[in-house]
Amino acid sequence: KAGVTQTPRYLIKTRGQQVTLSCSPISGHRSVSWYQQTPGQGLQFLFEYFSETQRNKGNFPGRFSGRQFSNSRSEMNVSTLELGDSALYLCASSPDRFPYEQYFGPGTRLTVT
Amino acid sequence: DAKTTQPPSMDCAEGRAANLPCNHSTISGNEYVYWYRQIHSQGPQYIIHGLKNNETNEMASLIITEDRKSSTLILPHATLRDTAVYYCIVRASKTSYDKVIFGPGTSLSVIP
Repeated sequence: KAGVTQTPRYLIKTRGQQVTLSCSPISGHRSVSWYQQTPGQGLQFLFEYFSETQRNKGNFPGRFSGRQFSNSRSEMNVSTLELGDSALYLCASSPDRFPYEQYFGPGTRLTVT
Repeated sequence: DAKTTQPPSMDCAEGRAANLPCNHSTISGNEYVYWYRQIHSQGPQYIIHGLKNNETNEMASLIITEDRKSSTLILPHATLRDTAVYYCIVRASKTSYDKVIFGPGTSLSVIP
């Protein structure tokens, strides 16, 4: 099976712009989670989607949003970018059965200048 | 906040067993222990999970104490490719949608 893919792998944006990141989960996985990873804060949970519904959300401002499509592909959007949004954004997909282990993609490295 | 505590860093000689400890003193009866690792510049990789019995797979062994308040991940013959950050997390067993909270993990350096 193909793994989790994320596009683009690298991105440079300017403060105030918005950005959309994409994630394609492993075939058959309906759960997709997003994480932000920075040197200072580590891996932080953003949100989780299952069958096009957001089931859980982390403690991030409303500028961070996401969605999931009927084919389980997911996108996350960050509006009005700030310098502090520079991070590695990781997507993970999970199967629908226990132990619900997560399979991570390689991440999108976002740099905000 | 993470429900687990781990030492920030450890060294291990190549070919020796790497024993990575994790404390989870507030673990609930329905929570499992999961381990992941993250090799530099890659996404985290699932390693193993367990409830109360010792578990082993092709990557590692997991030893959970009888009171379930701590566990140890064992890499039996560490190689240079095992150099990574190792994360221990706990999460409920019956749902797939609980938040997965990662702590800072343990940075393992395998020394030649």
